[in-house]
Amino acid sequence: GQQLNQSPQSMFIQEGEDVSMNCTSSSIFNTWLWYKQDPGEGPVLLIALYKAGELTSNGRLTAQFGITRKDSFLNISASIPSDVGIYFCAGRGGSQGNLIFGKGTKLSVKP
Amino acid sequence: DTEVTQTPKHLVMGMTNKKSLKCEQHMGHRAMYWYKQKAKKPPELMFVYSYEKLSINESVPSRFSPECPNSSLLNLHLHALQPEDSALYLCASSPPRAGGREQFFGPGTRLTVL
Repeated sequence: GQQLNQSPQSMFIQEGEDVSMNCTSSSIFNTWLWYKQDPGEGPVLLIALYKAGELTSNGRLTAQFGITRKDSFLNISASIPSDVGIYFCAGRGGSQGNLIFGKGTKLSVKP
Repeated sequence: DTEVTQTPKHLVMGMTNKKSLKCEQHMGHRAMYWYKQKAKKPPELMFVYSYEKLSINESVPSRFSPECPNSSLLNLHLHALQPEDSALYLCASSPPRAGGREQFFGPGTRLTVL
């Protein structure tokens, strides 16, 4: 079945640094979603991408849908302590396909 | 109202109990989902309802029984659960215009089975 490889698995950064994480797939997706999850809470949708090459920003967050349709990245600029959490990518292929989730990137920010 | 709500927030139950989880949204979304999430893992899809009809059951044991009474409500009935069923249960919904591509999650119910 379809699988997503999300990296890195975890990151420890200093406040103010930029962060980059990515997801790659062995098959083509037509949707990429990026979520953030705080402990004990549900995932919150950060950015949705629908077209190959699309670059979308949401405040300090920027995500891109790869040209090959098999990858996506998420950048966070000037990180702050409240950016701490687990970030999941999720992809969907086909009109009826379910969301496939990456295994998550755990972000820790030192003040 | 722009959110998915779930009740209860926490639930502790014995293996012989019967309980229900509730999910509600008033955004006009016509697809609703149940996911199970274990610690440090991504959500795993359990069930999908589309226009109040069950469209996907990901081989979930019969001790989990979903119900969609109307377009705003989704229930998950629990009976004779096992300790390994302890997890965060997430509900999500999708707007019709996105064709199910965007999913919005509720805060989850933390379930502990003793």
